Amino acid sequence: KAGVTQTPRYLIKTRGQQVTLSCSPISGHRSVSWYQQTPGQGLQFLFEYFSETQRNKGNFPGRFSGRQFSNSRSEMNVSTLELGDSALYLCASSLQGSANTEAFFGQGTRLTVV
Amino acid sequence: AQSVAQPEDQVNVAEGNPLTVKCTYSVSGNPYLFWYVQYPNRGLQFLLKYITGDNLVKGSYGFEAEFNKSQTSFHLKKPSALVSDSALYFCAVRDMGGGSNYKLTFGKGTLLTVNP
Repeated sequence: KAGVTQTPRYLIKTRGQQVTLSCSPISGHRSVSWYQQTPGQGLQFLFEYFSETQRNKGNFPGRFSGRQFSNSRSEMNVSTLELGDSALYLCASSLQGSANTEAFFGQGTRLTVV
Repeated sequence: AQSVAQPEDQVNVAEGNPLTVKCTYSVSGNPYLFWYVQYPNRGLQFLLKYITGDNLVKGSYGFEAEFNKSQTSFHLKKPSALVSDSALYFCAVRDMGGGSNYKLTFGKGTLLTVNP
């Protein structure tokens, strides 16, 4: 069974631009979550989608948005990029997104804002 | 609000010796607890979880973790460390009573170095 796939693996963008990151969950998984990982803040929760609905959102500005498609694939978008948005963005999927089930992570997208 | 503390930024251990990576948590209800490992330039890999039942949980690659409710701890252990265990380890929690709160809250991570 294929794992969680994130594309692209690396991105370099300029301040003020916008970016879209993609995540394909494990086949059959309906829950997709996104996390931002930085050396200073560690792993921070962005949002979680289940069956195309956002169920939970972290404490990030409105520049960060996401969506989930009917095939459970998810995208996140960051508009008006800032230098501080440079981070590893991780996507995780789980079967139902239940509290007692583990999430499986992709390898991440490394975003560098210059 | 739920939180996780990993009190040691780094742990160094000799190959063949036992290792412990510490984790304490805070939740309003009962916890679901997880350990993940991250190798350089990779995503997080699931090791083990505690949901309910036996306080000693066994996971992948010979790792185990002990849940202690009175001390609100969930320390990761391995009887004999390997050089290949060197990586960044994250403890995470979900609050069982969190309602629609599905997010995992992670600790800051502990860098484990196993010396040959």
